[in-house]
Amino acid sequence: DAGVIQSPRHEVTEMGQEVTLRCKPISGHDYLFWYRQTMMRGLELLIYFNNNVPIDDSGMPEDRFSAKMPNASFSTLKIQPSEPRDSAVYFCASSPIVYEQYFGPGTRLTVT
Amino acid sequence: GNSVTQMEGPVTLSEEAFLTINCTYTATGYPSLFWYVQYPGEGLQLLLKATKADDKGSNKGFEATYRKETTSFHLEKGSVQVSDSAVYFCALPSQGGSEKLVFGKGTKLTVNP
Repeated sequence: DAGVIQSPRHEVTEMGQEVTLRCKPISGHDYLFWYRQTMMRGLELLIYFNNNVPIDDSGMPEDRFSAKMPNASFSTLKIQPSEPRDSAVYFCASSPIVYEQYFGPGTRLTVT
Repeated sequence: GNSVTQMEGPVTLSEEAFLTINCTYTATGYPSLFWYVQYPGEGLQLLLKATKADDKGSNKGFEATYRKETTSFHLEKGSVQVSDSAVYFCALPSQGGSEKLVFGKGTKLTVNP
């Protein structure tokens, strides 16, 4: 298996623009997690899904953030409108069982 | 909820030196404990785990023992290599029955030849 795939790997956008991050989990994994990593705040869980259903979105910072998982092979994290403070590395991780998470390479987002 | 505290880095060692990265936790009950590693430019990956008290997790020469008396899960390696340079994260479930992990802030290790 190719592992968790994320795209794009790098995204530079201007404040106010919509940003969509994409994730393809490992086939057969029932859990999917979205994290954000910054120097100041470390690794933060934004939302996670089980069998395509959102279970806990309490980490989503505000209404500008939304996540979907239309099927077992694909998930998106959308930020609209983006702000400079959203600049971070966003990771997607999938898991066949609870706690053993496989992380993607991340998307480095820069909002100017 | 549960929480974890890691020693702050960065840690710089010479090749073949002994490594210890401290991790202590606060938790209800005796949850599973984990070490994840993040190599430069990559996502995190599970390094080792321990599922109950006194268990020792091990992988790639790294070890960590679940010590409930001291609520600790320190990571050790007897002889580090340059390729071990990475950021190491201690983690545990956010609370009993939760499917979420809470991670420490990470400890950056640099190993010089």
